[in-house]
Amino acid sequence: QKEVEQNSGPLSVPEGAIASLNCTYSDRGSQSFFWYRQYSGKSPELIMFIYSNGDKEDGRFTAQLNKASQYVSLLIRDSQPSDSATYLCAVNIGLLSTGNQFYFGTGTSLTVIP
Amino acid sequence: DTAVSQTPKYLVTQMGNDKSIKCEQNLGHDTMYWYKQDSKKFLKIMFSYNNKELIINETVPNRFSPKSPDKAHLNLHINSLELGDSAVYFCASSQESRGLEDTQYFGPGTRLTVL
Repeated sequence: QKEVEQNSGPLSVPEGAIASLNCTYSDRGSQSFFWYRQYSGKSPELIMFIYSNGDKEDGRFTAQLNKASQYVSLLIRDSQPSDSATYLCAVNIGLLSTGNQFYFGTGTSLTVIP
Repeated sequence: DTAVSQTPKYLVTQMGNDKSIKCEQNLGHDTMYWYKQDSKKFLKIMFSYNNKELIINETVPNRFSPKSPDKAHLNLHINSLELGDSAVYFCASSQESRGLEDTQYFGPGTRLTVL
């Protein structure tokens, strides 16, 4: 199993604050990186993906990738109570022989306090 | 229309039974997956199928067998169910030809409880 590490949390932030979620991965062959949100009892839903070093912004969400440090993060600005969920980091290790392979971290539980 | 659907949503059964979970996607994707999510929320890849060919088979017991009648369907059959099989099973699909932008879409999950 390819290792994708996340702090399990729980992470608590007040409403309106910035939530910072971190993820490290072990396989340097990882090519693209994903953040999913999963509400309790629901399926994971994609927030955004990134595959180039640097920042990528989508609304209140910013993904940051540093391949040299094997580190990817997700910032959530102006956090809302509706952002309370488990956030899953995933990496795609694409190989010619087997195609895309997705591996997930254990998730970070985020609670936004009103 | 639901993009990725699974049936049943809940499955309660006795140890030793054989059961199947069905998955269908209407996204036209070429790859489908099965994941197991345990009580600690860890999503573990079990299988993936690309154009009806098994391309990943992680270290899962051979009591689990994926079956794909066509590229829109990937069913999961489980023989001789054990207590440790209790989990939520998610089906997902993706379009591998999108390369680095290939992303997965998940079904609603099937909660399996083995008594």
